[in-house]
Amino acid sequence: AQSVTQPDIHITVSEGASLELRCNYSYGATPYLFWYVQSPGQGLQLLLKYFSGDTLVQGIKGFEAEFKRSQSSFNLRKPSVHWSDAAEYFCAVGSSNQGGKLIFGQGTELSVKP
Amino acid sequence: KAGVTQTPRYLIKTRGQQVTLSCSPISGHRSVSWYQQTPGQGLQFLFEYFSETQRNKGNFPGRFSGRQFSNSRSEMNVSTLELGDSALYLCASSLDSLVNGYTFGSGTRLTVV
Repeated sequence: AQSVTQPDIHITVSEGASLELRCNYSYGATPYLFWYVQSPGQGLQLLLKYFSGDTLVQGIKGFEAEFKRSQSSFNLRKPSVHWSDAAEYFCAVGSSNQGGKLIFGQGTELSVKP
Repeated sequence: KAGVTQTPRYLIKTRGQQVTLSCSPISGHRSVSWYQQTPGQGLQFLFEYFSETQRNKGNFPGRFSGRQFSNSRSEMNVSTLELGDSALYLCASSLDSLVNGYTFGSGTRLTVV
């Protein structure tokens, strides 16, 4: 069965520091991978997605993610965090034969220290 | 370009009642998916509609149902509400599939008392 694991429930980083949020997935075929961000009381905003091709994907707001098939990982990174990045981040996996169904991880809450 | 619109934003219902939530997708989008978000279970897929047909369904009881109209607007209905149905219900739309990405609405916060 498909699954997504985000090992870190909560991460705190200082403003200006680098960030890496971990995501591991379990899926038999080539997955479609996504990172979404959610601010309190809001819906989800797509940061980036990976289907195929270059394993380093650039997204919005200065985020990037790297697909590593051998490690079944799709970690999200940002070189310098801003206070406005504080939010909850979700990794999700889908497949071409599952229509629009996404399996989400439990999320990682990011706090940013001034 | 208007985003995904969900109405109402907030709803309070009593156990045993039923509720209907509405989702207007981005213009031109034909696929609409619904998710339930709770602190305990996280984000869980309810169902997806494409061109008025249910294309996929999650593991929820039959009390949860949905439909899509010819203009791609979608509704989901929950009958015989239980306290555990209290959640944020999110709708997402796409042109047709995951390849084009799904845009989420702000959700409907349902509280069952």
